[in-house]
Amino acid sequence: NAGVTQTPKFRILKIGQSMTLQCAQDMNHNYMYWYRQDPGMGLKLIYYSVGAGITDKGEVPNGYNVSRSTTEDFPLRLELAAPSQTSVYFCASRTLDGGGAFFGQGTRLTVV
Amino acid sequence: AQKVTQAQTEISVVEKEDVTLDCVYETRDTTYYLFWYKQPPSGELVFLIRRNSFDEQNEISGRYSWNFQKSTSSFNFTITASQVVDSAVYFCALSEAGTGRRALTFGSGTRLQVQP
Repeated sequence: NAGVTQTPKFRILKIGQSMTLQCAQDMNHNYMYWYRQDPGMGLKLIYYSVGAGITDKGEVPNGYNVSRSTTEDFPLRLELAAPSQTSVYFCASRTLDGGGAFFGQGTRLTVV
Repeated sequence: AQKVTQAQTEISVVEKEDVTLDCVYETRDTTYYLFWYKQPPSGELVFLIRRNSFDEQNEISGRYSWNFQKSTSSFNFTITASQVVDSAVYFCALSEAGTGRRALTFGSGTRLQVQP
């Protein structure tokens, strides 16, 4: 019963460093998403994918990149970390028929 | 564009009180889904319910109930006889039901504190 797995759970980055947040799901879901949640706010969509090889920008894509080479994996890349990217990042997946979205445990990222 | 408004930023009740969390949404889609999620202090997002736009029947699940009113674009959530374990942030969300990205648009959340 793994569901959606995100790694790491916590990370501290220095300004200008790069990192990749990993996301994997074992439910064979077509749709996958990356959201960020700033303190006291709702979730905002960074990138999404409707299937392997297909990705597109959400509302707040600047500073991030994604790839989807397999159905299972949807990594999020931060190239040049900035303090504004300090946030909690959630990965989610969803079935083709529009069922409820299942979320990973989140990655708390701090950029200093 | 889709929008979800949760006007109540924070609600505090005493255990065993009933509490209603409001959610108002905007969409141009004729078919869509509405959701509620719970985010406890541990931080994960727990799926509570999904509702289709063509199904306006109210739903009850134990102490939880949901009132969907298309005429007022509202999807309110009531907790009956609240308990301390209900303390969390609750998010209402909306997504299209068609062939697009189907991403969820979230409200800003309502923090519920249940005092013993």
